[in-house]
Amino acid sequence: RKEVEQDPGPFNVPEGATVAFNCTYSNSASQSFFWYRQDCRKEPKLLMSVYSSGNEDGRFTAQLNRASQYISLLIRDSKLSDSATYLCVVNTEGGSTLGRLYFGRGTQLTVWP
Amino acid sequence: EPEVTQTPSHQVTQMGQEVILRCVPISNHLYFYWYRQILGQKVEFLVSFYNNEISEKSEIFDDQFSVERPDGSNFTLKIRSTKLEDSAMYFCASSGGLAKNIQYFGAGTRLSVL
Repeated sequence: RKEVEQDPGPFNVPEGATVAFNCTYSNSASQSFFWYRQDCRKEPKLLMSVYSSGNEDGRFTAQLNRASQYISLLIRDSKLSDSATYLCVVNTEGGSTLGRLYFGRGTQLTVWP
Repeated sequence: EPEVTQTPSHQVTQMGQEVILRCVPISNHLYFYWYRQILGQKVEFLVSFYNNEISEKSEIFDDQFSVERPDGSNFTLKIRSTKLEDSAMYFCASSGGLAKNIQYFGAGTRLSVL
């Protein structure tokens, strides 16, 4: 069973485009939700946490639907520097454990000039 | 900005040899993790560590693996007898403070088993 599933991609978009990534997770006990980005052969870096109320950080908007177990990320006005792999990540922490991050396989985004 | 540091950046070893991967977590963090990423695959959880003991480990973290916090700053992952399939990028992460559910990753150690 895949804990976190993402759009397979890759996405290739021109600068200025709007692009949306989707993700579903299987464990209804998941507590925390994140989008990380990963550049080629680098470490995952936190892009933003995701909340049920939805949250926005500049050009980035994330949404969580707990009932559907669905997470989304919207990037507006894409920049060349947005080119990376976007990782949907969930955490099942709670109770006596620290929790563990479950990563999706990631969706590769290339923004071209 | 505080960061997680890992050494070495690249480790090449012969099959059957022991390797130790080192990590210095962010200084005020109390929760430590190891993950790995085989080339072309997703990042996978190995183990979490708190208060000098393992909190949780995955099915990947078998008897060949161990973790240790030998002093107040280092956190190590040891693989006793490496196999070809252990070749991967190994990431250390730490969390703590008010947002203990947010994990920050080091730059990783690329392990190549020949």
